[in-house]
Amino acid sequence: NAGVTQTPKFQVLKTGQSMTLQCAQDMNHNSMYWYRQDPGMGLRLIYYSASEGTTDKGEVPNGYNVSRLNKREFSLRLESAAPSQTSVYFCASSEYMGGSSYNEQFFGPGTRLTVL
Amino acid sequence: ILNVEQSPQSLHVQEGDSTNFTCSFPSSNFYALHWYRWETAKSPEALFVMTLNGDEKKKGRISATLNTKEGYSYLYIKGSQPEDSATYLCAFHQGAQKLVFGQGTRLTINP
Repeated sequence: NAGVTQTPKFQVLKTGQSMTLQCAQDMNHNSMYWYRQDPGMGLRLIYYSASEGTTDKGEVPNGYNVSRLNKREFSLRLESAAPSQTSVYFCASSEYMGGSSYNEQFFGPGTRLTVL
Repeated sequence: ILNVEQSPQSLHVQEGDSTNFTCSFPSSNFYALHWYRWETAKSPEALFVMTLNGDEKKKGRISATLNTKEGYSYLYIKGSQPEDSATYLCAFHQGAQKLVFGQGTRLTINP
């Protein structure tokens, strides 16, 4: 099992360019998440998908769009990149069974994005 | 947005010493609290998911306690080893699916 994979690992963009970060998981999890990590800020939730076909905003959704392509894949798109979006982006997945069953999140290796 | 506070922000400990640090979270509408360990150049890895007041979990030399009534959790490391050097994150469930992370405690073990 590869767990959670992300592509690319590194990316440099110019202001105004667009790109899509890809995430896939092979653990058959129903929930997937996108976070960004900035120095001194911890991990902040951008968007999440509780199940295939659904997406919801997190704490910092502005400037991003997401697509839950199927159960395995959850992509994050920057339509017009800005320097403020320079960050490390992590994808995660978990199995949420409902009720009071809370499971750990499994994280991908991250994508380091620089916007010039 | 909920506030999850971790203290201290960083900690240097001698090898062999024991240490502990704190995660504070809102005491109302509690669902669950997570602890993660994050080594440099790697991804966060889960240590514990805690749901019940008074919960105590243990994994090797690392243990955690939970007090949901007063809104805090402690992480303890007994007999610190160099491989324990990492950032330790706690995360509070805001609703059933969303996690709010603290800023982390960066632990450095001095040999």
